[in-house]
Amino acid sequence: NAGVMQNPRHLVRRRGQEARLRCSPMKGHSHVYWYRQLPEEGLKFMVYLQKENIIDESGMPKERFSAEFPKEGPSILRIQQVVRGDSAAYFCASSPGQGGYTFGSGTRLTVV
Amino acid sequence: QKEVEQDPGPLSVPEGAIVSLNCTYSNSAFQYFMWYRQYSRKGPELLMYTYSSGNKEDGRFTAQVDKSSKYISLFIRDSQPSDSATYLCAMGGEKTGGGADGLTFGKGTHLIIQP
Repeated sequence: NAGVMQNPRHLVRRRGQEARLRCSPMKGHSHVYWYRQLPEEGLKFMVYLQKENIIDESGMPKERFSAEFPKEGPSILRIQQVVRGDSAAYFCASSPGQGGYTFGSGTRLTVV
Repeated sequence: QKEVEQDPGPLSVPEGAIVSLNCTYSNSAFQYFMWYRQYSRKGPELLMYTYSSGNKEDGRFTAQVDKSSKYISLFIRDSQPSDSATYLCAMGGEKTGGGADGLTFGKGTHLIIQP
């Protein structure tokens, strides 16, 4: 069991470009979560998905951010027209529905 | 008032000491509580998960939850230099009461164990 896999580990984008972050949950986990961690800040919940459904997106910025978890393949967090303020570490977590959440190693996004 | 308050530290203690880490929270609807350890530039690693008030022990780690005071603690016995990391408290269950809600985290306490 490879755990929660996130890629890329590091991503550099110019302002105005699109960023796509991918997350494959642990085997047997059907619940996926995305969190953002800014420097000197704690982890902030963004969105909770199950296969083909967004369950809770209360932490997602209203514009430019979207997430999906298709029937086949990884979950994708998409940030359109990135700005410098989007620079952060983005973590994905998965769970089986009860119990602890397992986090991936994160994608560090730098907007230049 | 923030939902979850956690002293950022740094907290520096000598090797072998007992470490006490704490969080307070304001939302009485939180149902479950966790502690994560995060090393620099790594993902959080789950240490403890508790679903009710009381104590839970796992090796050198003990988690305490006092729902009446809205206060949770993590104790580390016989602390080692390898325990040096940021410790994050997290809680959830306030939306659905179940075990699958997104978590609310404290900002984390930076712990340093001096050899």
